[in-house]
Amino acid sequence: KQEVTQIPAALSVPEGENLVLNCSFTDSAIYNLQWFRQDPGKGLTSLLLIQSSQREQTSGRLNASLDKSSGRSTLYIAASQPGDSATYLCAGDQTGANNLFFGTGTRLTVIP
Amino acid sequence: DTGVSQNPRHKITKRGQNVTFRCDPISEHNRLYWYRQTLGQGPEFLTYFQNEAQLEKSRLLSDRFSAERPKGSFSTLEIQRTEQGDSAMYLCASSLAAGPMDSPLHFGNGTRLTVT
Repeated sequence: KQEVTQIPAALSVPEGENLVLNCSFTDSAIYNLQWFRQDPGKGLTSLLLIQSSQREQTSGRLNASLDKSSGRSTLYIAASQPGDSATYLCAGDQTGANNLFFGTGTRLTVIP
Repeated sequence: DTGVSQNPRHKITKRGQNVTFRCDPISEHNRLYWYRQTLGQGPEFLTYFQNEAQLEKSRLLSDRFSAERPKGSFSTLEIQRTEQGDSAMYLCASSLAAGPMDSPLHFGNGTRLTVT
């Protein structure tokens, strides 16, 4: 069974810092990879989708990359803001059908 | 795009009762997914539909669980004879699959089930 590890489990940074969140899969055969954010008591919001033929995606201050040889992904957040405070989850699927395996998330707090 | 809508937001039920949740996906999305999330964990895949066909079911989906998407639009998830271990957030998501490319998953805000 695919296991997904996210490091760190929690992170607290001052506003304006750049930061990196890490995600690794026990089975590196990842088809699509997505990064989500989840606010308390809410559903998930998709941030970035790395399709099977891609290795990297960027949206605004966010950049995600996927190393398929190692099954590792990183999410880079530039110039962090208090509004970025949330739990960030990575998820991958192995068939292209979006039946995703999720990590347990990194809880980010950005201090004003 | 009105987003994925789930009802009810909260459901409290006694052990042994049946419950049914509804999900309305984004209208043009052909795929619909159900996930379950417990506190402090990431969501776990339960099942998904492409149009009205249920294409995959997780081992987590015991015989007490049934999902339908009768007209390829909204979906229902029913849990029969609820148990305390069923207490969780049930999340619905949808996406548009067109050829080899998928759109990102769009999630609803979930239905939080508490079994007493």
